Amino acid sequence: DARVTQTPRHKVTEMGQEVTMRCQPILGHNTVFWYRQTMMQGLELLAYFRNRAPLDDSGMPKDRFSAEMPDATLATLKIQPSEPRDSAVYFCASGLGGEAPTNEKLFFGSGTQLSVL
Amino acid sequence: GQQLNQSPQSMFIQEGEDVSMNCTSSSIFNTWLWYKQDPGEGPVLLIALYKAGELTSNGRLTAQFGITRKDSFLNISASIPSDVGIYFCAGSRLLNFNKFYFGSGTKLNVKP
Repeated sequence: DARVTQTPRHKVTEMGQEVTMRCQPILGHNTVFWYRQTMMQGLELLAYFRNRAPLDDSGMPKDRFSAEMPDATLATLKIQPSEPRDSAVYFCASGLGGEAPTNEKLFFGSGTQLSVL
Repeated sequence: GQQLNQSPQSMFIQEGEDVSMNCTSSSIFNTWLWYKQDPGEGPVLLIALYKAGELTSNGRLTAQFGITRKDSFLNISASIPSDVGIYFCAGSRLLNFNKFYFGSGTKLNVKP
């Protein structure tokens, strides 16, 4: 089964430390999204890429968060320095964006549960 | 940004009962998706809708794309305990290439 793979599944770190989350999108998918999920805010879009180019990262705190796609099989989300308020579940999702309307769908990974102490 | 109003926020039902939930938006969407999320997992796509008025089923689940294109509905028939979870709607506007706005979720509890 093709699936979006995220690592690590869980991360506990101390305030001020750098956190890197990784995502392997489904092979062939050309859009990749990072979402953050909290009880209070639900699913928030942080950033997304199309054909590896960043299209929108307006949902991301720029001073500490960065998102990149070094190649088509890897997307990363970094937080430096991390803060307790960053504690959440971070999801990566991928899709096959294009002209065909029926390509409009997203597939999610299992998430990285981040706890910043 | 776009807002999707999903209701109800939570439901407590008896096994065997039917369930209905809906999502509304102030904007027109061209795609509606419905997801289910189990604890500790990512949302799993249940149904995708692409045309106004479209009615699509997936087993005991049926979803409809509202004719105004501003709403969508999900029905679950004859609920079972494994239906427990959080159900999310998501909407996308044309030419946004998979950029979806998500509802806040409906938490479903099923009593055996």
